[in-house]
Amino acid sequence: EAGVTQFPSHSVIEKGQTVTLRCDPISGHDNLYWYRRVMGKEIKFLLHFVKESKQDESGMPNNRFLAERTGGTYSTLKVQPAELEDSGVYFCASSQVNANNEQFFGPGTRLTVL
Amino acid sequence: LAKTTQPISMDSYEGQEVNITCSHNNIATNDYITWYQQFPSQGPRFIIQGYKTKVTNEVASLFIPADRKSSTLSLPRVSLSDTAVYYCLVGPSNMLTFGGGTRLMVKP
Repeated sequence: EAGVTQFPSHSVIEKGQTVTLRCDPISGHDNLYWYRRVMGKEIKFLLHFVKESKQDESGMPNNRFLAERTGGTYSTLKVQPAELEDSGVYFCASSQVNANNEQFFGPGTRLTVL
Repeated sequence: LAKTTQPISMDSYEGQEVNITCSHNNIATNDYITWYQQFPSQGPRFIIQGYKTKVTNEVASLFIPADRKSSTLSLPRVSLSDTAVYYCLVGPSNMLTFGGGTRLMVKP
């Protein structure tokens, strides 16, 4: 069974540009999460989808970040416009309903904003 | 959310048993205790989860005392490939809160 996949693995952009990250969860997982680790900091929760609905977006840093999950399958996280402090690794995770804290993480997308 | 405290780093040798203890004094009644492992350039990987007493799977054991204010992850007979960061997380379902983790170095 395929795990969580993320695209791209790396992205280097200039300040002010737009970047869109994609996450494909494990098939059948209704829960999808986004996390990120910025340089030198801990992994932080961004938001949680249940199917196509945003269940919790309390961790989204500001309105430059937009997450979508149309159709309840894959999800995208768009950063527009990107700032230097957005650099870091963005992780996506998915889980089954009522899986408690057993989430399956993707390899992450390393974003560098110059 | 309950705050967790665990050692920043630990060293061990191949074949030894490693025990990593995590303190979580403010754990709530509905909180689970979950441990994740992370290798460089990879996402965290679920190891084990428990609520109370002892849980064992093919990878590790998790010991939780009656007051649930701490927990101990036990890795039997570690190998070089167990070198990783281990995170102790405490909270309700769905929103994982990562701390700094424990960096385990296994030496030959």
